[in-house]
Amino acid sequence: GNSVTQMEGPVTLSEEAFLTINCTYTATGYPSLFWYVQYPGEGLQLLLKATKADDKGSNKGFEATYRKETTSFHLEKGSVQVSDSAVYFCALSGNYGQNFVFGPGTRLSVLP
Amino acid sequence: GAGVSQSPRYKVTKRGQDVALRCDPISGHVSLYWYRQALGQGPEFLTYFNYEAQQDKSGLPNDRFSAERPEGSISTLTIQRTEQRDSAMYRCASSKLPNSREQYFGPGTRLTVT
Repeated sequence: GNSVTQMEGPVTLSEEAFLTINCTYTATGYPSLFWYVQYPGEGLQLLLKATKADDKGSNKGFEATYRKETTSFHLEKGSVQVSDSAVYFCALSGNYGQNFVFGPGTRLSVLP
Repeated sequence: GAGVSQSPRYKVTKRGQDVALRCDPISGHVSLYWYRQALGQGPEFLTYFNYEAQQDKSGLPNDRFSAERPEGSISTLTIQRTEQRDSAMYRCASSKLPNSREQYFGPGTRLTVT
């Protein structure tokens, strides 16, 4: 079945540091890939997505590229802010938008 | 409404009681999804609907869990004879189109079974 693996947290960075959160997946067919973010006390919000190989999703300074050859969708940001502190979830959905599968989440703490 | 809403936000119940969790999707959204999220884990798919039809209930853990969406809008997830292992955050999401790959999540209902 489909699955998502992402790096374990917590990740602690200083403000303006470079961020990478690794995500790899196992899936049949042509899944879509997502990053969701959960800020403290809030629900999950879609951060960015990519629907086919080599697509790059981007939002709020975050980027992730759909790499079919390495089955990866790593999240990056060049300069993190304290307000980026949250839990980040990598996810995929099947060919027809069904069966969302989420990774376990990576907690990011950014210190001033 | 502006977003997906869920009620109650918090529910504490005694083991053996039945609970009903409600989800009100974004107006006009066709698909509605239920997930369960244990502490420190990602959401786990339970079931989903297109309009009023339940499309996939393969994620429901056992027959104590059921869901309905009779008029294609509000949905109710019911857990009968609750057990302590049912304690979790239950999340609902909706999407505009059938089987859309972009889902909008509600704030969740935190269920605690004592």
